[in-house]
Amino acid sequence: NAGVTQTPKFQVLKTGQSMTLQCAQDMNHEYMSWYRQDPGMGLRLIHYSVGAGITDQGEVPNGYNVSRSTTEDFPLRLLSAAPSQTSVYFCASRPTSAHTGELFFGEGSRLTVL
Amino acid sequence: AQSVTQLGSHVSVSEGALVLLRCNYSSSVPPYLFWYVQYPNQGLQLLLKYTTGATLVKGINGFEAEFKKSETSFHLTKPSAHMSDAAEYFCAVHRIGGSYIPTFGRGTSLIVHP
Repeated sequence: NAGVTQTPKFQVLKTGQSMTLQCAQDMNHEYMSWYRQDPGMGLRLIHYSVGAGITDQGEVPNGYNVSRSTTEDFPLRLLSAAPSQTSVYFCASRPTSAHTGELFFGEGSRLTVL
Repeated sequence: AQSVTQLGSHVSVSEGALVLLRCNYSSSVPPYLFWYVQYPNQGLQLLLKYTTGATLVKGINGFEAEFKKSETSFHLTKPSAHMSDAAEYFCAVHRIGGSYIPTFGRGTSLIVHP
């Protein structure tokens, strides 16, 4: 089972460049989310989606865009990368927003912005 | 406001010693509580969870946690640490008040000495 797949695993950008982090899940989960992980800060929620066509902001949404055109995919876009966006990004999903089960995580995407 | 507090960003134990990782939360209604573990260069995976029922819950790899409503705590324990337990541990609340959006603590790095 593939679960949650993130690409790329590593990326180096220059300030001002744009890119998209891809996230795909094959579990038919309605709820998907993006977190960033920084030392000493834990996981902070960037954006989330409770179903196709529905997205909402999390704790740290500035500088990031998302869309949810299908149940399977939830890409995260950086329109103009900044050094403050250097981080490890995790995509996570679960069956529904109110489900009592755990989040399923991808393996992460490590982004460095120079 | 919802919050999850993990006391101690780093916990160091000797192999065979008791492991105790602390987690406190604030919530106006019974929360859904989770512990996740992150091994180096991997995503997070579920260790154990409490939603309803028995307040002492057992997870993988010999870990357990007890939900104590009066203390608003969900501390993680293991009687005897193993070298393979060295990892980052995250406490998360999946329901606080009317929100089902997970909130994570800042994480505790468990270091196990031989």
